Amino acid sequence: NAGVTQTPKFRVLKTGQSMTLLCAQDMNHEYMYWYRQDPGMGLRLIHYSVGEGTTAKGEVPDGYNVSRLKKQNFLLGLESAAPSQTSVYFCASSRGRQPSTDTQYFGPGTRLTVL
Amino acid sequence: AQTVTQSQPEMSVQEAETVTLSCTYDTSESDYYLFWYKQPPSRQMILVIRQEAYKQQNATENRFSVNFQKAAKSFSLKISDSQLGDAAMYFCAYSRPLSGYSTLTFGKGTMLLVSP
Repeated sequence: NAGVTQTPKFRVLKTGQSMTLLCAQDMNHEYMYWYRQDPGMGLRLIHYSVGEGTTAKGEVPDGYNVSRLKKQNFLLGLESAAPSQTSVYFCASSRGRQPSTDTQYFGPGTRLTVL
Repeated sequence: AQTVTQSQPEMSVQEAETVTLSCTYDTSESDYYLFWYKQPPSRQMILVIRQEAYKQQNATENRFSVNFQKAAKSFSLKISDSQLGDAAMYFCAYSRPLSGYSTLTFGKGTMLLVSP
């Protein structure tokens, strides 16, 4: 059982380039999330999805777009990368929205550097 | 907005000893959840323990236990009989179920070093 996987693991971009990060989960979870982790900081929520075809903004959504065309996949896009978007990006998924029982399972992260 | 504060950037412990990691939080809510997540060098975030605010009893998971002081808004993690594999970054997190989703607010983390 793979759990939550992320592609790619590492990426280097030049300012202004675009890219898409892919998150896939095989647990049939309804909820999916994208976080970023900066040095000395905890994870901050970028966007999330409560089901196929739905997305919503989190704490730090500017400069990112997301799509959830299939239940198992959650894509994070950077249309015009900026050095401020250099970070480690984590995807997570959960069965539901109840923190009492619906643990968020995290992927291994993608390290993105924008030059 | 809720905030989570971890005042210890780094802690050290020797194998088989006990260590306590501190966490405080700020919220005006009465119904919420608190978590400790472990992030080893592999970067994968792993849930260590979960505490429900309405429960008086402190959560325990094997060698991991918490000291939850609701009035003081304090949520510390105690690791007993520390092992080399416990070395990692530990994040305290807060969650409250909202109408659309349940989000996690993380502290900045505490790096735990374990020496033989």
